[in-house]
Amino acid sequence: DGGITQSPKYLFRKEGQNVTLSCEQNLNHDAMYWYRQDPGQGLRLIYYSQIVNDFQKGDIAEGYSVSREKKESFPLTVTSAQKNPTAFYLCASGRDKNSYEQYFGPGTRLTVT
Amino acid sequence: AQSVTQLDSHVSVSEGTPVLLRCNYSSSYSPSLFWYVQHPNKGLQLLLKYTSAATLVKGINGFEAEFKKSETSFHLTKPSAHMSDAAEYFCVVRAMNTGFQKLVFGTGTRLLVSP
Repeated sequence: DGGITQSPKYLFRKEGQNVTLSCEQNLNHDAMYWYRQDPGQGLRLIYYSQIVNDFQKGDIAEGYSVSREKKESFPLTVTSAQKNPTAFYLCASGRDKNSYEQYFGPGTRLTVT
Repeated sequence: AQSVTQLDSHVSVSEGTPVLLRCNYSSSYSPSLFWYVQHPNKGLQLLLKYTSAATLVKGINGFEAEFKKSETSFHLTKPSAHMSDAAEYFCVVRAMNTGFQKLVFGTGTRLLVSP
C-alpha cells in the first residue's frame, strides 16, 4: 500500500520537553510538508521540503525544527520554545516541487500539559 | 495574495437533502482551487480541483463545484447527502509567486447530517 504514515496517533508530553513527530511516505515524492491544525482554523504551514537535504520555513516555524536526510522521511520536532504546542499535526507530500496536489497523512494529535 | 473565505462554519442537513458549502476566493491571478474533506481525527482527502479547465468540476462521492469568476465563488454541492458525508470540508487556493507549491486553506465548514 502506498501512502503517508504518521506516528504516533496520539502523543502526550509535559511542558518543557522536546518531542519528535514521525512522517514517512513510500510514494517516492520529492516534496513534503508539515501543517498545524487548531480548532476553527484552517491548516497553517510550519515547514516544507522540496527535495532531500533541503527544507524551508513556512508561516509558523518558530518553536519547530525539521530534517530531511532521506527522501521518505520528514520528522518534525516540537521544541520547548513553541509557546502553544497542543494541536493536531498533519504531514503531506507532493510528487515534486511543481506538483500542487498534496497527499495527507492521518495526523498526530499532540497534547502538552 | 490569494485567500479563501468559507462563509459557514457549520452546515446542517438531513440525509437525502442537497448539500451546499460556500466558498469565496480572492486572487489576482486565475486561481487553482480545491476542496478537501477531513473525517474526524483523520488526514485530508482531495475531493476535487479546478485548474482553469471546465468551470463545473466533478469530484469523488458525488460532489461537484462550480467556478464562477463573476462572483469569485467556488461552492461545493451534492444533490443528496449521506450520513457518511458528515465531516469537515476545506476550500483551498493555490498561492502564486511563492517559489513553491503553497496551499492556502479556509477555516473549514463542518457538515452535520441527521437521519
